[in-house]
Amino acid sequence: QVQLQQSGAELAKPGSSVKISCKASGYTFTSYDISWIKQTTGQGLEYIGYINTGSGGTYYNEKFKGKATLTVDKSSSTAFMQLSSLTPEDTAVYYCARRLQWWVDYWGQGVMVTVSS
Amino acid sequence: DIVLTQSPALAVSLGQRATISCKTNQNVDYYGNSYMHWYQQKPGQQPKLLIYLASNLASGIPARFSGRGSGTDFTLTIDPVEADDTATYYCQQSRNLPNTFGAGTKLELK
Repeated sequence: QVQLQQSGAELAKPGSSVKISCKASGYTFTSYDISWIKQTTGQGLEYIGYINTGSGGTYYNEKFKGKATLTVDKSSSTAFMQLSSLTPEDTAVYYCARRLQWWVDYWGQGVMVTVSS
Repeated sequence: DIVLTQSPALAVSLGQRATISCKTNQNVDYYGNSYMHWYQQKPGQQPKLLIYLASNLASGIPARFSGRGSGTDFTLTIDPVEADDTATYYCQQSRNLPNTFGAGTKLELK
């Protein structure tokens, strides 16, 4: 069965970076893009962008350009998202999700990132 | 960006019909498809796909769930509502990038 297993919760200081992972199983990794989505109580669900797992090509929501960097390791069927120059506004749950051409079907369990001094 | 508007909450009795609406500020139809999708999220869990392309039931989703609509007006219907359906329901458009989500409708039981 399709599974997306994300890494554990992160506690980070303002100005630092974190890199969270999303390990896929149960399907051919390079056949689907991986999307990343941010969820906060205040802003709801926000689409960060997606990565083509075969080519490494990326799309970023303008709002997250310079904040998020998406990469993949095909050998381990894992997608990564690095968040840089963290501020308290980056405190959120971050999801990876398998992207079909027009929607996402399977979601990871989410990673809570807390930014606090 | 396309804005999706949902009512914040809805209370329905067990066994009754729940209708959740989602309105967009731009047409999300394109070449015969409506690029609107619906997700269910229970507390502490990740969202789950219910409906794709406005009216197609995702794999494993009970037929109590259905979607309809086109253009700028869409609805998700649950009939009959069961206790396990208490959750927040989100619509999402993929007509344009960035894909955007509604703020969610929290379904509660009366």
